[in-house]
Amino acid sequence: GQQVMQIPQYQHVQEGEDFTTYCNSSTTLSNIQWYKQRPGGHPVFLIQLVKSGEVKKQKRLTFQFGEAKKNSSLHITATQTTDVGTYFCAGARTSGTYKYIFGTGTRLKVLA
Amino acid sequence: SQTIHQWPATLVQPVGSPLSLECTVEGTSNPNLYWYRQAAGRGLQLLFYSVGIGQISSEVPQNLSASRPQDRQFILSSKKLLLSDSGFYLCAWSGNYGYTFGSGTRLTVV
Repeated sequence: GQQVMQIPQYQHVQEGEDFTTYCNSSTTLSNIQWYKQRPGGHPVFLIQLVKSGEVKKQKRLTFQFGEAKKNSSLHITATQTTDVGTYFCAGARTSGTYKYIFGTGTRLKVLA
Repeated sequence: SQTIHQWPATLVQPVGSPLSLECTVEGTSNPNLYWYRQAAGRGLQLLFYSVGIGQISSEVPQNLSASRPQDRQFILSSKKLLLSDSGFYLCAWSGNYGYTFGSGTRLTVV
């Protein structure tokens, strides 16, 4: 079945350093979403990417959808302690689907 | 605005006991509803989803069942809990801006 993998599984960075997590799907995706889960909390929707090669920015966060629509990345510039949490991608194989397959997640720890 | 309520927040249950977790959504009608489970330090596993009253799709064979008795109510149940049922259970509904998750129930089966 469809699998969505994320790397790295864990990442520790010094505050101010950049961070990137990568999401790879075994199948072509219709669209991809990104979520952030703070420690002890629930996932919160960040963004959705639909178009091949699409790039979106939210302040220090940059999201990219691969040309082949099988991979995506989230880059955080100059991390802050508030960025701590687990970042998940979630991919849909078809548009209008009811089901998204979540990636394995990348847990980010920011050292002050 | 749409809100999703999930309770209880934490639950400790003995092996073999029944389970009932409830989720309700406000501010929307005919939502697509989901139950996810997250093992400690792991990703999210889709357990059930529902596109309407009485319509339940199961994603993985398991010791759990789901029901949707009303449009905005989604219930996760078990007749006899197993140790492997421990985890963080999340209810969600999907809209134009991705999934909105409830605050979750942390279940420990002892």
